[in-house]
Amino acid sequence: NAGVTQTPKFQVLKTGQSMTLQCAQDMNHNSMYWYRQDPGMGLRLIYYSASEGTTDKGEVPNGYNVSRLNKREFSLRLESAAPSQTSVYFCASSSTGETQYFGPGTRLLVL
Amino acid sequence: GNSVTQMEGPVTLSEEAFLTINCTYTATGYPSLFWYVQYPGEGLQLLLKATKADDKGSNKGFEATYRKETTSFHLEKGSVQVSDSAVYFCALSDRAAGNKLTFGGGTRVLVKP
Repeated sequence: NAGVTQTPKFQVLKTGQSMTLQCAQDMNHNSMYWYRQDPGMGLRLIYYSASEGTTDKGEVPNGYNVSRLNKREFSLRLESAAPSQTSVYFCASSSTGETQYFGPGTRLLVL
Repeated sequence: GNSVTQMEGPVTLSEEAFLTINCTYTATGYPSLFWYVQYPGEGLQLLLKATKADDKGSNKGFEATYRKETTSFHLEKGSVQVSDSAVYFCALSDRAAGNKLTFGGGTRVLVKP
C-alpha cells in the first residue's frame, strides 16, 4: 500500500517552461488536493477535486491547471513557470473530506 | 473567512521538557481541528484530530483539546524526545466550506539531547 505518490521529487525549470506534476493514490479516495508550501505560510490550496470528473479552484489557482485523470490520479500543470512558483508542492487525498493523507512532495525551483 | 494562527517558531527544547504549541482559529461554521506533523524531507502526517467541542485528540503522547469558548486547539506533550523534532501544523476543516483544510503557518520544534 503506497498511499499517495508524487513525481518528480525535484525539478528545476527555467522561466517560461512548462511541466506537469503527477500524483496518484491507491486508497480509493474520492477527493484529491494540490497544495503549495512556502516558508512561514503553511500550506495553501491550489486546486482540489471532490470526486472524479470535478475540479475546483482553491486559494491560489493562478498560473496552474489540473486534471483529474481518473479516481487514482490528479495532475498539476504549470503552463509557463515563473520564479514565484518556486515552492514545495504536496498532493493529498481523502475519503471523508476531513482527514487528508499527503504525498512526500515535489520541490520545484524556477530560475 | 476561515483562518488559523499558531505560534511562530522555532521552539528549542531539551529532551524530556514539556512542549506547548498554541493554536487559535476563526471559522464561520463548526470546524474539525487537526494537528499535522512534518518530519524533515517528508510530507505531512496526521498527528491527531478533534471533531467537536470539548473533544480531546491524542496520539504518540501528544494531546490537544477542542476549546470552542476560546477558539483554541493547543498541542501539548509532557516529555519530548529528539525524535519529536519536526514542523507542526494546526489546521481546520469546515463542512460549510466543503471540508477544505485551512492551515496555520507551522511551528518548527527542535529537541536537543
